[in-house]
Amino acid sequence: QSVLTQPPSVSGAPGQRVTISCTGSSSNIGANYDVHWYQQLPGTAPKLLIYGNNNRPSGVPDRYSGSKSGTSASLAITGLQAEDEADYYCQSYDSSLSGVVFGGGTKLTVL
Amino acid sequence: EVQLLDSGGGLVQPGESLRLSCAASGFTFSNYAMCWVRQAPGKGLEWVSAISYSGASTYYADSVKGRFTISRDNSKNTLYLQMNSLRAEDTAVYYCAKDGTYRSSWPNYFDYWAQGTLVTVSS
Repeated sequence: QSVLTQPPSVSGAPGQRVTISCTGSSSNIGANYDVHWYQQLPGTAPKLLIYGNNNRPSGVPDRYSGSKSGTSASLAITGLQAEDEADYYCQSYDSSLSGVVFGGGTKLTVL
Repeated sequence: EVQLLDSGGGLVQPGESLRLSCAASGFTFSNYAMCWVRQAPGKGLEWVSAISYSGASTYYADSVKGRFTISRDNSKNTLYLQMNSLRAEDTAVYYCAKDGTYRSSWPNYFDYWAQGTLVTVSS
């Protein structure tokens, strides 16, 4: 059971918009720790997608955006493309555990 | 170009030890915290351990505390993970990753990842 809760799967048709939620608690997201998002394509290492809640590293398309409110965060992907099919993970810091925590991951399927 | 090359994985029996290494290049290694993240077969990401840029502070997940030791040699631009008393549940691909925050004393987010090294613990 992950400290951060994500839906196991989401899906959408090409061109559509999808969102992936990440729910935490008062000891992580709710304690004002930043949320970060990673994309993992099959058989590859994770790649940083969003850092500091809503910042994109250089090279990440603006189709990806992040937001945070209260004890939750969300990743939005607009203009869905076949290449977006991957696993997505949220990550934060937990003061009770004194360590990094990941969400359980969400598998995005492009229909 | 930032490059992280991890190595040292393999097949070991329960109770045995293994040391992973991660060679870094393309950035000033001594200015960034580093960490290890693992992924069991078919499972999600699990943070294992982190070390501050200077090496003065270390952090561990409860699942490995007391068995694993993270360290770094800033003169060799190399990160290590000494894994003792290995268990079947430690079987995973282990990734080393670079923290994205300059001179952070605690883990923040990870902007570069190595390709991963597989550790299999089985009799």
